[in-house]
Formats: sequence, structure tokens, C-alpha cells
Amino acid sequence: ILNVEQSPQSLHVQEGDSTNFTCSFPSSNFYALHWYRWETAKSPEALFVMTLNGDEKKKGRISATLNTKEGYSYLYIKGSQPEDSATYLCASDRGSTLGRLYFGRGTQLTVWP
Amino acid sequence: GAVVSQHPSWVICKSGTSVKIECRSLDFQATTMFWYRQFPKQSLMLMATSNEGSKATYEQGVEKDKFLINHASLTLSTLTVTSAHPEDSSFYICSAPTGEGYGYTFGSGTRLTVV
Repeated sequence: ILNVEQSPQSLHVQEGDSTNFTCSFPSSNFYALHWYRWETAKSPEALFVMTLNGDEKKKGRISATLNTKEGYSYLYIKGSQPEDSATYLCASDRGSTLGRLYFGRGTQLTVWP
Repeated sequence: GAVVSQHPSWVICKSGTSVKIECRSLDFQATTMFWYRQFPKQSLMLMATSNEGSKATYEQGVEKDKFLINHASLTLSTLTVTSAHPEDSSFYICSAPTGEGYGYTFGSGTRLTVV
């Protein structure tokens, strides 16, 4: 994998459904993996920064896992709520240059009441 | 938490004119500011990195004479799109290291439309 890929591109779920997205990234030269939540007209909000293989992080109903050997991360949302509607971005940090993040195109989540 | 204020949120300008975009760190000092650009249906791509008191570094393929970056203080970085053309129409967003772990704080972005 040369680029950061996210799937699905968009997702529509009903309130209360649990959902998950995938981020694939180059496993070589891995330094950190970032997840952001981005609402329209707002700043991307940092959710997680993950560095260790096997890392699992949780923030309320949102959690993420990391597999650096195979180059993927999952983001899970348990019991989705309408306020979870946003674009979820992941970005790979290869550590070569400070701040040089390689972003995926994002997964756009819409949660219907 | 750390906040980066970015202005304007959107701007429409005529072809050939220049546009300045500002990013201010409100409650922390940003010695470094990163400028990204996003074209429709594409990912955020790093354009350039500005460092307070020194010249900016530009990514390959980004014209430094077209995209002027100034980082004159620890709280303000500006991106000026000079002699803008319709192909410069894009979404521009800045980010700065927060100093907390590996995190970065982003501005809210600027939608530039050149007509």
C-alpha cells in the first residue's frame, strides 16, 4: 500500500446502529496514525493518535485499533447518534518530516434519527 | 485546548488578484504552521511548512512564488495566493503542532473560488 486509503467512502446508518470504518496505510516507516472527526465548517477534531502495534484507544462511544504490521486501523462507533454525523479522517505520520501527515479521503458518516 | 483561528472562511476573487489567508494560534505559540490544500474528492495534501523567523519549505510541485508564506510571529502565519487563477480554487487549511504528544490542531479552513 502506497497511499492512505479509507473505506467506505460514505456510510448512512440509523440512530443506535454501531458502525466501523477502515484506514489502510503503508506499514513501512510507520511513526503514528491519527484519527480526526471533521464537521462541515469546523476544524478537524483530533480523536486519537496511535503509535504502538496492537494499540486500542477509546473515547466515549468511539474506539480505535491499530495494526502496524499489516497497515490498518479500525474506528468503531457504538450506538451511533445524529451528532456523530461527520467526516472521519485518518492520517499516517511516517516521522520523516515534522507535521507531514498523509491523509485518506475520509469516510462521511450520516446518522439518521 | 489549543485553538487555531483561520480567516476568511471563504473568499471569491477575480482572476489575477491576490488573496491572503491568516492562521492565528490563540492560546499557544506556533513556531511551525503547516498549510494543506484539498481539491474536490481528494485528500488533504501538504503544500508547505512555515517556521517562525525563517523561510518556508514547499512540497514538490508547489510554486513558492505563487503561494507566499509569512510566519513573522509565534502566533500568526499567512498564506498569500498571488495572481490567483481558477485552477487555484481549492480548500486551504492550516495546522500546528500542539506540543501535546503527537497532536496537531487545525484551523477551520478557507474555501477559495477564483472567477
